[in-house]
Order: sequence, then structure tokens, then C-alpha cells
Amino acid sequence: DQQVKQNSPSLSVQEGRISILNCDYTNSMFDYFLWYKKYPAEGPTFLISISSIKDKNEDGRFTVFLNKSAKHLSLHIVPSQPGDSAVYFCAARVYGGSQGNLIFGKGTKLSVKP
Amino acid sequence: SQTIHQWPATLVQPVGSPLSLECTVEGTSNPNLYWYRQAAGRGLQLLFYSVGIGQISSEVPQNLSASRPQDRQFILSSKKLLLSDSGFYLCAFAGTESGASTEAFFGQGTRLTVV
Repeated sequence: DQQVKQNSPSLSVQEGRISILNCDYTNSMFDYFLWYKKYPAEGPTFLISISSIKDKNEDGRFTVFLNKSAKHLSLHIVPSQPGDSAVYFCAARVYGGSQGNLIFGKGTKLSVKP
Repeated sequence: SQTIHQWPATLVQPVGSPLSLECTVEGTSNPNLYWYRQAAGRGLQLLFYSVGIGQISSEVPQNLSASRPQDRQFILSSKKLLLSDSGFYLCAFAGTESGASTEAFFGQGTRLTVV
């Protein structure tokens, strides 16, 4: 039973355009959502997060949007750069859970073409 | 600064052999520690977590075990590896001190291939 779903295994975007990575969840008890970026043979690195009480969080080129009624969040990267090419994981934490007890999606591989 | 070290980076082991992966954290006290696994075509799955020395919680039943002999040391073990244990293993920590950020920080990972 997948509680965090990333239905697009891959996404290809032209450099300079917007990349939109999507994530759906089923558990209403999630209180915190995070995005991680992962290069091959490396551990994931934290990118951006959002609390369930907010609907938007922005950090430079990265913005995460949360739609609680739809149980959907998305990561926007504007403008996309070739160095953004990586696998992006969406993760969620259950309310009251330990900070690292995250449930991850399967990831979306983003390719940004020059 | 807080850092996490995980080794080895790659490991090839025969079926039935034992396993020991080690992870250490620096720059923080009493962290929560985690072992995740990324199997081919799957997301990151939480295997074990620990909120203190000697305290281990298992998320999924399997052929693996974890131990925390010291505050900032986390070990993943197996007595007899199976082919299905192959994967990319990641250690992570989350700070528990006042003001600690919410996210978990990951090590570089260990690519385990059981042959």
C-alpha cells in the first residue's frame, strides 16, 4: 500500500523552462512534506519542505505547493538547469512521528536538456 | 558542523555470508538514526530507526538487524545474506536538539550486491 505516490517515473525538460514534479499521498495524518534530490551512487540531499499548515514554500528556484484537499503536492523548478538532472523523491512524515521516519515515493528522474 | 559517514561504499558478498555496515554521525548529540534501503525500481524504504543507545525499532520484517552500541554509531547486520538483500543502503540521522531542523540527512550509501 503506497502512501506516497510519484506516478511519473521520468520527466524531460528543456533548459530554462519550468520543471514540475508531482506527488500524491493518501494519509491525512501526514504533517510535513519534503523533497529530496539524489544523484546516482550518492545519498539523497534535502531540497525543500513544507508544513501541512501551509500551501506554498519558496526557496530560490524551487517552490513547493501543497493542496491538502486533493492530497497533492508539487515541486516547481524555474528555470531548470542541466545540473538539476537527478532523481527527485517526495517524502512525508506522519504527525507526531520522529523526524526521520519518512515515507518516500518511488522517485521521478528529471532530465534537463541543454 | 554535522556530518554522517557510512562505509563501505560498495560491497559484493556471496549468498549466506554475514554483513556489517557501519554509520557514524558527528556534530550532534542524541540523534535519531535510520537505515533505509533503495531496491531496484523502488523508493526508499525505512528498515530500522533508533532514538537512543540500544533502542531499535524495526519497520519491516526481514533478514537484517540493527544495533546502536554508541550514541552516534549505527550498524546494520545480517548473519546470512540472501540474494534479495541486494540494494542501495542508506544511513540517515535527524537532530533532536532544540532548534534542530526537521529533515533527515543521509550518508553516501552502500551499494550491496549479493551474488
